[in-house]
Amino acid sequence: NAGVTQTPKFRVLKTGQSMTLLCAQDMNHEYMYWYRQDPGMGLRLIHYSVGEGTTAKGEVPDGYNVSRLKKQNFLLGLESAAPSQTSVYFCASRLGSGEQYFGPGTRLTVT
Amino acid sequence: GEDVEQSLFLSVREGDSSVINCTYTDSSSTYLYWYKQEPGAGLQLLTYIFSNMDMKQDQRLTVLLNKKDKHLSLRIADTQTGDSAIYFCAETQPSGGSYIPTFGRGTSLIVHP
Repeated sequence: NAGVTQTPKFRVLKTGQSMTLLCAQDMNHEYMYWYRQDPGMGLRLIHYSVGEGTTAKGEVPDGYNVSRLKKQNFLLGLESAAPSQTSVYFCASRLGSGEQYFGPGTRLTVT
Repeated sequence: GEDVEQSLFLSVREGDSSVINCTYTDSSSTYLYWYKQEPGAGLQLLTYIFSNMDMKQDQRLTVLLNKKDKHLSLRIADTQTGDSAIYFCAETQPSGGSYIPTFGRGTSLIVHP
């Protein structure tokens, strides 16, 4: 099993550009999550999904959209990137009430 | 205010014990976790405890839960330089079946010789 993978690993965007971050898991997990991690702020939940075709807002959803068209993939989109979205983005998945499995992260810089 | 609180830094000498503390506010929390994050990596589960337990031991790790005070601690015995990392406390309640965990801000553990 590859576990949870994220692409890309690094990206630099100019303000106003758009991009999509891809998260993939091969563990047949129902739940998937997108977090951002900023210094001193811990992990903040952006959006999550409890199953294929369903998504919900987390703590900091503004400026982001998500889609879960296939169970194994969870996409995070930035339509018009802003410098405040410079962060490290982590995807995670879990089967039910068990542990979350995290991806290695995507480091995004918006200039 | 925060649902899960941790101190931000802890510095210990190699070979000593480390104790990382966490407090949470939701009394319906059913699972409490400790995750470890090494530099440049994602979070990895270290250990967890169910809310009906008081203690769990796993090799060098001891988790203590005081449910009355909503206090969770992680003790690392014989701390090594490889234990230097950020440690996150997290709690989960089955909110409508979605199991949304709440994380603390993380405690940076620095182990010096």
